[in-house]
Amino acid sequence: AQSVSQHNHHVILSEAASLELGCNYSYGGTVNLFWYVQYPGQHLQLLLKYFSGDPLVKGIKGFEAEFIKSKFSFNLRKPSVQWSDTAEYFCAVKGNNRLAFGKGNQVVVIP
Amino acid sequence: ETGVTQSPTHLIKTRGQQVTLRCSSQSGHNTVSWYQQALGQGPQFIFQYYREEENGRGNFPPRFSGLQFPNYSSELNVNALELDDSALYLCASSYLARGKLGETQYFGPGTRLLVL
Repeated sequence: AQSVSQHNHHVILSEAASLELGCNYSYGGTVNLFWYVQYPGQHLQLLLKYFSGDPLVKGIKGFEAEFIKSKFSFNLRKPSVQWSDTAEYFCAVKGNNRLAFGKGNQVVVIP
Repeated sequence: ETGVTQSPTHLIKTRGQQVTLRCSSQSGHNTVSWYQQALGQGPQFIFQYYREEENGRGNFPPRFSGLQFPNYSSELNVNALELDDSALYLCASSYLARGKLGETQYFGPGTRLLVL
């Protein structure tokens, strides 16, 4: 069964700082990888996804993620965060007709 | 907005009762997946329905059951509720084409269930 590991569950940073959230997965098959975001009071939304091709994928709101197969990683980055990026971020790997999620990163951006 | 809707938004039940949660999938989608999200945790896969049949199940007991209807909407039923069933229940819809990769799941707002 697939699994996902996310570190640094709570992240606090100031506006304009850079953000990087780590995601390591375990799955033996072809990977489909996702980052979802949950803003306060809102539902889970797709931020970006990787199926194949260019390992650097760009998502909404200036986010990007890099798939590194040799490291089983799919880290999320944003060069300069805004207060509105305060949210919980989940990495997920798809396999066997299901998504396996990590425990999430609670990110707080201080104005 | 994903077009995935869930009802009710909140629900309070007592231990031992039964509950039914509902989900309407996004137009054009044929698959519904259900997840349980406990406080402070990531969503955990319960099961998936594809063309009205169960298409995968997570590590949940049989008292968690589901249905998918011809219009691709779905229900999650939980019998003999336990305190630990208190959680946010998420429904996700997607378009699944057999033999093709690249299914993306879009989530609804969830139903928050409290079991007392």
